[in-house]
Amino acid sequence: DGGITQSPKYLFRKEGQNVTLSCEQNLNHDAMYWYRQDPGQGLRLIYYSQIVNDFQKGDIAEGYSVSREKKESFPLTVTSAQKNPTAFYLCASRARGSYEQYFGPGTRLTVT
Amino acid sequence: EDKVVQSPLSLVVHEGDTVTLNCSYEVTNFRSLLWYKQEKKAPTFLFMLTSSGIEKKSGRLSSILDKKELSSILNITATQTGDSAIYLCAVDALNYGGSQGNLIFGKGTKLSVKP
Repeated sequence: DGGITQSPKYLFRKEGQNVTLSCEQNLNHDAMYWYRQDPGQGLRLIYYSQIVNDFQKGDIAEGYSVSREKKESFPLTVTSAQKNPTAFYLCASRARGSYEQYFGPGTRLTVT
Repeated sequence: EDKVVQSPLSLVVHEGDTVTLNCSYEVTNFRSLLWYKQEKKAPTFLFMLTSSGIEKKSGRLSSILDKKELSSILNITATQTGDSAIYLCAVDALNYGGSQGNLIFGKGTKLSVKP
């Protein structure tokens, strides 16, 4: 089955710790995206990558970092510099030439 | 600044009602408008609209784009409790972020359908 997987589903961390969220896709999509969703808010773009070994900042990149060493994988690190890290994080991918983005199931991160 | 605005932000209806959700946008170099349904987790794709005036339909859901008014509506007829979800509108603007394929999302409309 083709799709996007994110792990873990729920993640709890103490303030001051870095944490890495996993995103894997086997759709052979070139582009991958990370969004953050807060209650009552739409999706806000954190980082995106159009090809391997290249990525760009989105609207709210501060306190986050990413890597794209493989086409299938686009992990997101939430660093201790992110002031309000508690949120629902969604990963998405898109095929070249397509407008539609496919979403993973999301990771709910709680930092206390 | 590019933006997408959805209204209403929340809506409560009873089963069998018909609802209309609105999405307006201000973006440069518009390419397409997409509607997604989000229940608990991942948004799932509903429609993509690129041409004005052409209705897309899937069962009880339909959507149309008005490029002159820079807006789109999503209609749901004979609503069911399973339609309860957040409905997200997103616009693909060609030069947004300096790349193609980046979506600008509205805040969503939370629809609750009561039995």
